[in-house]
Formats: sequence, C-alpha cells, structure tokens
Amino acid sequence: DQQVKQNSPSLSVQEGRISILNCDYTNSMFDYFLWYKKYPAEGPTFLISISSIKDKNEDGRFTVFLNKSAKHLSLHIVPSQPGDSAVYFCAARWDILTGGGNKLTFGTGTQLKVEL
Amino acid sequence: DAGVIQSPRHEVTEMGQEVTLRCKPISGHDYLFWYRQTMMRGLELLIYFNNNVPIDDSGMPEDRFSAKMPNASFSTLKIQPSEPRDSAVYFCASSPGGPGGYGYTFGSGTRLTVV
Repeated sequence: DQQVKQNSPSLSVQEGRISILNCDYTNSMFDYFLWYKKYPAEGPTFLISISSIKDKNEDGRFTVFLNKSAKHLSLHIVPSQPGDSAVYFCAARWDILTGGGNKLTFGTGTQLKVEL
Repeated sequence: DAGVIQSPRHEVTEMGQEVTLRCKPISGHDYLFWYRQTMMRGLELLIYFNNNVPIDDSGMPEDRFSAKMPNASFSTLKIQPSEPRDSAVYFCASSPGGPGGYGYTFGSGTRLTVV
C-alpha cells in the first residue's frame, strides 16, 4: 500500500523554466510533508517542508504547495538550473504529538533533468 | 560533525552469505532509521530506533533481516542468508526527534549486490 505516490518517474525541463514535481498521498493523518533531493551515489538531503496547516512554503527558488482537500502537493523550482538535476522524493510524516511515530513515508521519486 | 556514516559503501556477496551493514548516527540524535531504496518501491522504511530501542520493525521484509543498536553511536543491519532480491541501496538516517517538520540526515548508503 503506497501511501505517498509520485506518478511521474521522470521530468525534463529547460534551464530557466519552471519545474513542477507532483506528489499525492492517501493518509489524512499526515501533518508534515517534506521534499528531499538525491544526487547519484549520495544520500537524500532535506530540501523543504510544509505543515498541513499551511498551503504554501517558499525558500528561495523552491516553493511547496499543499492542497489538503485533494491530498496533493507539488514542488516548484523557479528558475530551474542544471545543478537541480537529481531525484526528488516526496515524504510525509504523521506527527508524534497527534499519535504518529517519528517516521517518514517516502514516494518512489521523480528524476528531474534540467537541460541547457 | 561528520554526519551519518555508513560502511561499507559497496558490498558484493554471494547468495547465502551473511551480510552486515553498519551505521554511526549523528551524536545527540535520538532516532535512527534504516531505509532501502529500490526502483519499484522507492525509499521504504525497514526499522527505526528511539534511544536505542526498536520502535517499529514492520518494514523488515523477512526473518532473514535483523537490526540492532547496542549503543547510541552504532547500529547494524544484518541479512542472513542473503538472496539476489536483497540487492538494493540501504540507507541509514538519524534525527533529533520531537515534533515538527524537520528532516532526517541520511548517510551515503551501502550498495548491496547479491550474486
């Protein structure tokens, strides 16, 4: 049972344009959502997160949008740069304070390629 | 801090052999996680510890897999006997715990190949 889904295994974007990576989830108890970035032969690194009480969080070129009613979130990268080429994982967490454990459930990842 | 340290980086072993993966978490982090990355399932949680105690091992695929955390600075994931379908990248991660939307810190992973 895949509670966090990334339906696009790959995405190709031109440098300078916007990259939009999508993620869907099924568990309504999730209250934090995170994006991780992974380069080959390295571990995933934390990129940005959003609380379920918000609908947008921005950090420089990266913005995450959350649509709770649709159980959908997206990561926008503007402008896209060649160094952004990596695998992006969406993750969700059911917070300790509301009864969940301190564990992240990840999607299968989307390979982003930013072309010159 | 050197981050989360995993060893070995690569492991090639024959089917049926025992494999031990090692992890040193970040000092002061109360939580330690073992994940496995595959193309089909992405990053799947195998087991996690809080203050050296296993909290949730529901992701451990079979009895062939076992994990220990004898102290706050060391954990092992053991596969005995190994099978070709165990081939994957295994990641260890640690976090300080508590509520909020913070992320984990991952190690660089161990790429396991069982032939």
